[in-house]
Amino acid sequence: DAKTTQPTSMDCAEGRAANLPCNHSTISGNEYVYWYRQIHSQGPQYIIHGLKNNETNEMASLIITEDRKSSTLILPHATLRDTAVYYCIVRPNRDDKIIFGKGTRLHILP
Amino acid sequence: DGGITQSPKYLFRKEGQNVTLSCEQNLNHDAMYWYRQDPGQGLRLIYYSQIVNDFQKGDIAEGYSVSREKKESFPLTVTSAQKNPTAFYLCASSIGRAGGQPQHFGDGTRLSIL
Repeated sequence: DAKTTQPTSMDCAEGRAANLPCNHSTISGNEYVYWYRQIHSQGPQYIIHGLKNNETNEMASLIITEDRKSSTLILPHATLRDTAVYYCIVRPNRDDKIIFGKGTRLHILP
Repeated sequence: DGGITQSPKYLFRKEGQNVTLSCEQNLNHDAMYWYRQDPGQGLRLIYYSQIVNDFQKGDIAEGYSVSREKKESFPLTVTSAQKNPTAFYLCASSIGRAGGQPQHFGDGTRLSIL
């Protein structure tokens, strides 16, 4: 079972920052937080991951709370191409499988 | 460009027929994975391989078989024993097993029964 809780859907205006929350209150010390997204009929795309510290790459920023019980994925300037289902995943170190929950369906509004 | 290539994109299987899905990666990754995704569902792990000539069953291996003769290739055979094969099949690879090493996915093969 997925160990994360995400809103079912969210809207964001094009050009604005999209902030996607994730609750992982039962996370343990060796578990990473991963974010993927899946556009219809395509494979999941890796976005970003982190353990304790905030992370940023060319796609997004990941903000992890100090107690690690929740995190937020930030897409700084959302475009229509960011419309997708976004999955927040908690993955133990050295665990071979990724467990995807229901994710958040993000709609970018023109 | 480096990446994971799955083929074909669409595949149809007749009753009693075995079919093989191709997965090739040029990322020099040691680990490769096969997942199945059903409509509105998450991914379920079928098989995975950490190194050439070695592989392990995932959660739903029955009715499937794999081989890992080359680092770059991890084909999946859907046998006639798999009674409900209609699904979206995804191949992934990663540098290794450690939690800080993400899995990267191909664009999938959609298998349907004729």
